[in-house]
Amino acid sequence: DGGITQSPKYLFRKEGQNVTLSCEQNLNHDAMYWYRQDPGQGLRLIYYSQIVNDFQKGDIAEGYSVSREKKESFPLTVTSAQKNPTAFYLCASSIWGGNTEAFFGQGTRLTVV
Amino acid sequence: AQKVTQAQTEISVVEKEDVTLDCVYETRDTTYYLFWYKQPPSGELVFLIRRNSFDEQNEISGRYSWNFQKSTSSFNFTITASQVVDSAVYFCALSHTGANSKLTFGKGITLSVRP
Repeated sequence: DGGITQSPKYLFRKEGQNVTLSCEQNLNHDAMYWYRQDPGQGLRLIYYSQIVNDFQKGDIAEGYSVSREKKESFPLTVTSAQKNPTAFYLCASSIWGGNTEAFFGQGTRLTVV
Repeated sequence: AQKVTQAQTEISVVEKEDVTLDCVYETRDTTYYLFWYKQPPSGELVFLIRRNSFDEQNEISGRYSWNFQKSTSSFNFTITASQVVDSAVYFCALSHTGANSKLTFGKGITLSVRP
C-alpha cells in the first residue's frame, strides 16, 4: 500500500539531546512537509521540500533541521536549541506544491522528560 | 500574507443533527486553493476536498457539503445527519499557486457527536 510512514509513534527525549524523526513515503511525491501541532494552535509549518537536495524554512524553523537526500525520505531533527519541543509532529507529502492534495503520516508524539 | 480563521473551537451536537463548520480566509492572490481536512483521534489528517478560487459551485458528497463564497471569503463545511464517526478535528486550509506553494491551516474545530 502506498502511503507515508512516520516513526516512531511515541518518542521521549531528555533535555539537551537531539532527536531525529523519520518520514518515508512511497507515493513518488516531489514535495514533503513537516508540521508541528500544539493544542489550540492548528498546524504550523516547520520545513518543506519541493525537490531532492532542496528545502525551505517554514514559519517555525528555529531549533529544527532537515535533509532531503532521497525523494522518499525527509527526516526532521529536533535539536537542543528548540526550547519547547514537546508536541505532535506530522509529516506530509504531495505530488508537487502545496496546492495539491497532501497525504499525511500518523504523526510522532515527542515528549521531553 | 495568507490567513485562515476558524472562529469555532469546539462544537458538540447530538447524532443526526446537522452541523456547519465555518472557515474564513484572507489572501491577496486572485488564484488560490481551499481545502478541508479531517483529523480523527488516530492523528492522521484525511483529505476531504480541494476547491480552486475560480470554482464557486457548491459541492455535495454524501452527507458532506461545502459552500464557497468569494464575496465573503468563506468556505463553510456542513455535515448533514451527523454520526458519532464524524467526531474529529476539522481543519480548513489555504494555498497559493506557483513555486514553493504551501498550505496555511486554520486552528481547527473539534467536533463531538454524541449518541
